[in-house]
Amino acid sequence: AQSVAQPEDQVNVAEGNPLTVKCTYSVSGNPYLFWYVQYPNRGLQFLLKYITGDNLVKGSYGFEAEFNKSQTSFHLKKPSALVSDSALYFCAVRDPGDKIIFGKGTRLHILP
Amino acid sequence: DAGVIQSPRHEVTEMGQEVTLRCKPISGHDYLFWYRQTMMRGLELLIYFNNNVPIDDSGMPEDRFSAKMPNASFSTLKIQPSEPRDSAVYFCATSGQKNQPQHFGDGTRLSIL
Repeated sequence: AQSVAQPEDQVNVAEGNPLTVKCTYSVSGNPYLFWYVQYPNRGLQFLLKYITGDNLVKGSYGFEAEFNKSQTSFHLKKPSALVSDSALYFCAVRDPGDKIIFGKGTRLHILP
Repeated sequence: DAGVIQSPRHEVTEMGQEVTLRCKPISGHDYLFWYRQTMMRGLELLIYFNNNVPIDDSGMPEDRFSAKMPNASFSTLKIQPSEPRDSAVYFCATSGQKNQPQHFGDGTRLSIL
């Protein structure tokens, strides 16, 4: 069965420092992987996706993610964090049956 | 592109009442998903449609919940009768083909008293 794990409930990073939000997955076949962000009182917003090709995927707002097949990971990264990056981040995988399976989310706090 | 439109944004009602949540998908999107989000359970998929046909409703918690998609422009999620434990934020999301991301509405915050 397809699954996604976000091992950290919360990540705290000082403004200007690099950030990483971790995600590991389990799928049968080739994975379709996504990252979403949720701001208060809003729906989830798409950040980036991996379907195939280059293992380093670039997305919105300066975020990028690295697909690692051997470690079954898809960590979200940003070289220099902004206070405005503080939000709830979800990793997701689309299963062969078209459903998207979301992780439980990681709350990112960027400290000024 | 107006995005996914959900109504109402907020709903407060007493237990036992019927609640209807509405969703207008992005034009041309073939898939429509209904989710529920709570602090305790996170984001849960309730049901999804493909080309207006329900494909998987295994996440619908009880027979009190029902969803319809009468045409490509409209979907409803109905709870009858409502209970306090149904209080949550309900999201509608739509997408095109399998490798395309989902677009979420801003949700309906439902409070059952």
